[in-house]
Amino acid sequence: QSALTQPPSASGSPGQSVTISCSGTSSDVGNYNYVSWYQQHPGKAPKLMIYEVNKRPSEVPDRFSGSKSGNTASLTVSGLQADDEADYYCCSYAGTHGVFGGGTKLTVL
Amino acid sequence: QVQLQESGPGLVKPSETLSLTCSVSGYSITSGYFWGWIRQSPGEGLEWIGSTYYSGNALYNPSLRSRVTVSSDTSKNQFSLKMNSVTAADTAMYYCVRGDKQTAMVTFDYWGQGALVTVSS
Repeated sequence: QSALTQPPSASGSPGQSVTISCSGTSSDVGNYNYVSWYQQHPGKAPKLMIYEVNKRPSEVPDRFSGSKSGNTASLTVSGLQADDEADYYCCSYAGTHGVFGGGTKLTVL
Repeated sequence: QVQLQESGPGLVKPSETLSLTCSVSGYSITSGYFWGWIRQSPGEGLEWIGSTYYSGNALYNPSLRSRVTVSSDTSKNQFSLKMNSVTAADTAMYYCVRGDKQTAMVTFDYWGQGALVTVSS
């Protein structure tokens, strides 16, 4: 099974917006509205940031938003803050299992 | 406050069985949700292994299905992972997670701190 495709890195200055893409196929991202995003700081467990494409858990700031177009899902982080520097992983339902992306390291310049 | 804590051997020999237990506090595993396992190889991404519902319904990643069993012990509010015939490729950080009722293989809202398992002789 192939992982979803994410850019290995992304960056932005404090206050700016950054969008991270997650490219799949018509068998996963394109066929289901079940895409989630996770934030992972070094040495820590991942944290759920977005689920079902664009829903946020109550404790996640509204600076984080998700969307989907065709076979590609996206995570946008607005008003970048130093603590947003982390690895981000997307995850999609693929019919019989969940599949993750390879991760994107977000650097706040 | 839902908390998950993994426990089990940190070193397993090749061809043997990896066994991990996740103890859940602050929530009864019989109150709903799926309970499962995700692993992360050193420096690599995440891989969903499998999840179980307290009633016994289990879901598995097709790539690992033949070697994995995820089960629950409601009397102890715990669930466990057993993976047989392990190789060095199974060396990873193993996380126990709570999975959403409807999207159990995609949405994981609570995670344990992780247990590092090394496969080596």
